[in-house]
This record gives sequence, structure tokens and C-alpha cells, in this order.
Amino acid sequence: GEDVEQSLFLSVREGDSSVINCTYTDSSSTYLYWYKQEPGAGLQLLTYIFSNMDMKQDQRLTVLLNKKDKHLSLRIADTQTGDSAIYFCAENPSGGYNKLIFGAGTRLAVHP
Amino acid sequence: DVKVTQSSRYLVKRTGEKVFLECVQDMDHENMFWYRQDPGLGLRLIYFSYDVKMKEKGDIPEGYSVSREKKERFSLILESASTNQTSMYLCASRPGQGNSGANVLTFGAGSRLTVL
Repeated sequence: GEDVEQSLFLSVREGDSSVINCTYTDSSSTYLYWYKQEPGAGLQLLTYIFSNMDMKQDQRLTVLLNKKDKHLSLRIADTQTGDSAIYFCAENPSGGYNKLIFGAGTRLAVHP
Repeated sequence: DVKVTQSSRYLVKRTGEKVFLECVQDMDHENMFWYRQDPGLGLRLIYFSYDVKMKEKGDIPEGYSVSREKKERFSLILESASTNQTSMYLCASRPGQGNSGANVLTFGAGSRLTVL
């Protein structure tokens, strides 16, 4: 069945780069997303990538998509303490416009 | 900006009580969703609605019902709350397919429900 997997925890030093990885199962997914959840808040869209793209860059964020391996990654350059949050990967399976599949979320901890 | 408002941020209820969670969006979105978020499980879809009075079951509809009498409002109902329904509940909305911004889901801040 459809599934999105990501590691649950990542710890990085302030100023380093963070890389959060995700694997998904539906090779015909049209869009793949990264959402951020800060403590006590809902999910906020960070960025998304269309399936015909390999890479998308937006300021400190770089998204890489490897369709062959069904692997999505989010790189945060110069990680700051304000980046501490839970990051969710999500896919939009084909034929399931209203059924986004979310991963369990990766908790990013940034320490001095 | 689209705003999705969940009226209750924190609720504490007793087992067997009826619980209403309300969600309102202000951008005339066709689609509205209720998710449940639990640690290590991510977000699981309970129900969604693609139009007024229309609804579809998500992955975990058991123990829940929904109501969409007006386009802007989507309610989640727990007819008889149980302790295993203690969770964070997230509402979201999205434009209809083919509309501008249709690929983006916008979330409310969440309602944390504790059932004793």
C-alpha cells in the first residue's frame, strides 16, 4: 500500500546543514511536499516539488527528488535554532487528489 | 492569506461525552479535511469533504462523524468520546482541483483533545 517513511529524529549543530530524508511508494505521485510544525502549532507548508523536477531551491532550502529511488530530501543550509521543529514529508498519490499521505515526521533539534 | 481557524485549542472531556470540534476557513475552499496526529504515526486522515453536505471517509473514520452544512465550516463529532481518542486534531482546507493553489493544503493550529 501507500506509505511515506522518514527517520524520526535528527540533531545538528547550529550553522551546519541539515538533511532530512524521506521515501515514498507511489511512483506516479504528482506533487511531493515538505511541511514544518513548530511546537503547539499546526503544519505550515515549507515547499513542494512537482514530480517532473529533480531539484528546487528556495533561499536556505533545497529539495532533491530521485524518482527512480522514490527518495525525497530537504536540505536546510546554515541551520538556526528557529529551524527546530518537526518536518513532515507528504505525497499526493495519483488518483487521490484529496488523500495526501504523510510521513511520521522528523524532529529536528538544533543545538549550539 | 488563507486562514483556517479551529475554535478550540485545548479540550478536556470525559469518557462517553459528545465532543464537537469546529473548523472555519475564509477562502471559499471546496475541500476540507480532518486529520488526527499522534507521535510516531504522523497525520492520519479521518474524513474529508469536497462540497457542502458531501463527505468521504478517510483512513480512520471509526468513532467519528462530520458535518458540513456551510462551505466555510467543517465539524468533527465524537459521539461518545473514548480515551484512545486523546490526540491532536488538525483541520485543513484546499481549493478544488484545477483551481489556483489547488496543490497546497492549509492547516489550522490544531485542537488538542484529552479524554479522561
